[in-house]
Amino acid sequence: EAGVTQSPTHLIKTRGQQATLRCSPISGHTSVYWYQQALGLGLQFLLWYDEGEERNRGNFPPRFSGRQFPNYSSELNVNALELEDSALYLCASSRTNHYEQYFGPGTRLTVT
Amino acid sequence: AQKITQTQPGMFVQEKEAVTLDCTYDTSDPSYGLFWYKQPSSGEMIFLIYQGSYDQQNATEGRYSLNFQKARKSANLVISASQLGDSAMYFCAMRVPRDGGYNKLIFGAGTRLAVHP
Repeated sequence: EAGVTQSPTHLIKTRGQQATLRCSPISGHTSVYWYQQALGLGLQFLLWYDEGEERNRGNFPPRFSGRQFPNYSSELNVNALELEDSALYLCASSRTNHYEQYFGPGTRLTVT
Repeated sequence: AQKITQTQPGMFVQEKEAVTLDCTYDTSDPSYGLFWYKQPSSGEMIFLIYQGSYDQQNATEGRYSLNFQKARKSANLVISASQLGDSAMYFCAMRVPRDGGYNKLIFGAGTRLAVHP
């Protein structure tokens, strides 16, 4: 069974630009979660999508947004990038209402 | 507010010995779940073990066990017979279903474990 995949592995952007990160969940999983892990910090919950709907979002500004497609893959968009957005962005997936989340390898975003 | 605290930024252990990684949590909700994840240098988060707040027994998964002390609000991870491959960051996390989202995870700051030969 293929795991959660994320692309790209690394992304370098300049301040003010937009970044798009992609995630494909494990087959059969309908929930996708996004987390931000800034350097030296724990993971901060960003967004949760289930069945195409945004179910919950963490304490992040509106320039962090995303969507979930009919095939349950997901995109995270970060607009008007700031230097402090540099972080590892991890995507996880689970079956609906199952507690166990499986994580992907992450996308490392660097904002210069 | 819900919170996870890991007070050990770094730990080291000799190969084949046991090690305990500390985790305390704070929630007023009676229904919650506690997780431990391992993050190697590659960055991927690997699920290790889960303990539900109503579970009577401490969770065990192979060499991993969770020492759940509800009254103390602690959920320490015990790794027995440490291996060199156990060197990684370890995160404790909590799920509170009624905290605005069934599966939102709240993570601690992590503990970096180094296993020495």
